[in-house]
Amino acid sequence: DGGITQSPKYLFRKEGQNVTLSCEQNLNHDAMYWYRQDPGQGLRLIYYSQIVNDFQKGDIAEGYSVSREKKESFPLTVTSAQKNPTAFYLCASSILNEQFFGPGTRLTVL
Amino acid sequence: AQSVTQPDIHITVSEGASLELRCNYSYGATPYLFWYVQSPGQGLQLLLKYFSGDTLVQGIKGFEAEFKRSQSSFNLRKPSVHWSDAAEYFCAVAPPPYGNKLVFGAGTILRVKS
Repeated sequence: DGGITQSPKYLFRKEGQNVTLSCEQNLNHDAMYWYRQDPGQGLRLIYYSQIVNDFQKGDIAEGYSVSREKKESFPLTVTSAQKNPTAFYLCASSILNEQFFGPGTRLTVL
Repeated sequence: AQSVTQPDIHITVSEGASLELRCNYSYGATPYLFWYVQSPGQGLQLLLKYFSGDTLVQGIKGFEAEFKRSQSSFNLRKPSVHWSDAAEYFCAVAPPPYGNKLVFGAGTILRVKS
């Protein structure tokens, strides 16, 4: 089945630690995205990539980093510089102006 | 800058009743318009989209939406709600022609009472 997978589903980290969220897609889409979701705020764009080896900052990129070494993969690293990292993180990919979303990773900082 | 307003944080309807979820946007031209649905702890699923043409758009699960340029609105409707429609609904806009930078509203949580 084609789709987007995110792992892990739940992630816990201690303050001061970096953590990497995985996003893989087998839809052969060129573009991929990372969003952060907080209650009552909708989704906010962190980073996006329209092609391999290229990515751009979204609206809330501070404290996050990404890489796009393969078309299928777009991992997100939440660094210790992110002051409030506890949130639900959603990855998406797109074709023909339509974005498809993964199931999400819930990150909790202890 | 673009913005999307969903005025209703929560809506409760009875099963079988009609539903309308409101969405207003702020943008200089007509953007691409989308409605997504999210069940708790899950990703988002696209219900319908509007790029151009007929202003009444049909989507999945019996939903439809109407684009009204004069009101900068894209309201979602369903004639008869089912208990399984309980979820959170998000309106989103994106600037043409690529539609790749979605801006989301804050969402409306739909509760269905039997």
